[in-house]
Amino acid sequence: NAGVTQTPKFRILKIGQSMTLQCTQDMNHNYMYWYRQDPGMGLKLIYYSVGAGITDKGEVPNGYNVSRSTTEDFPLRLELAAPSQTSVYFCASTYGRGEDTQYFGPGTRLTVL
Amino acid sequence: DQQVKQNSPSLSVQEGRISILNCDYTNSMFDYFLWYKKYPAEGPTFLISISSIKDKNEDGRFTVFLNKSAKHLSLHIVPSQPGDSAVYFCAARATGANSKLTFGKGITLSVRP
Repeated sequence: NAGVTQTPKFRILKIGQSMTLQCTQDMNHNYMYWYRQDPGMGLKLIYYSVGAGITDKGEVPNGYNVSRSTTEDFPLRLELAAPSQTSVYFCASTYGRGEDTQYFGPGTRLTVL
Repeated sequence: DQQVKQNSPSLSVQEGRISILNCDYTNSMFDYFLWYKKYPAEGPTFLISISSIKDKNEDGRFTVFLNKSAKHLSLHIVPSQPGDSAVYFCAARATGANSKLTFGKGITLSVRP
């Protein structure tokens, strides 16, 4: 199993550009999450999904959109990139039952100039 | 308002000695706590967890202690090894919260050979 994969690893955007961060998991997990980590800070939840077709906002959703058309994929969309969105983005997944844990992807480092 | 606090940003210990990483929380609804380890340019990886019905959980060199009355948990690493040098995140979850995790800011542990 590859686990949770994220593409791209790095990206530089200009202000106002848009892009999609890809996330795929092959563990048949129901729940998926997007976090961002700013320097010296913990991970903050952007959006999450409890199953295909179901998404909900996390702590810091402004400026982002998500969709979940399949169990495996959970892309994160930035429509109008702003310097405040410069961060490292992590995707995670879990079964969502009992004392299970979240498994994280390797991250996407995004810089908006 | 930070619900999970890791007040010490860094810790340096000698190889072979004990490392003690502390974490405090404010939300009394949290009932499951996790520690994640993160190396540079990688995603966080699960290390150890504890349910609120326990006060201690041990896994090899890693032990987590939970003091519910003080809303405090700590991670003990004995003996510390240079490979343990990483950022350690404390995270907490409340039952019924769709497995969403709230993270602390992290502690950078350096183990000196």
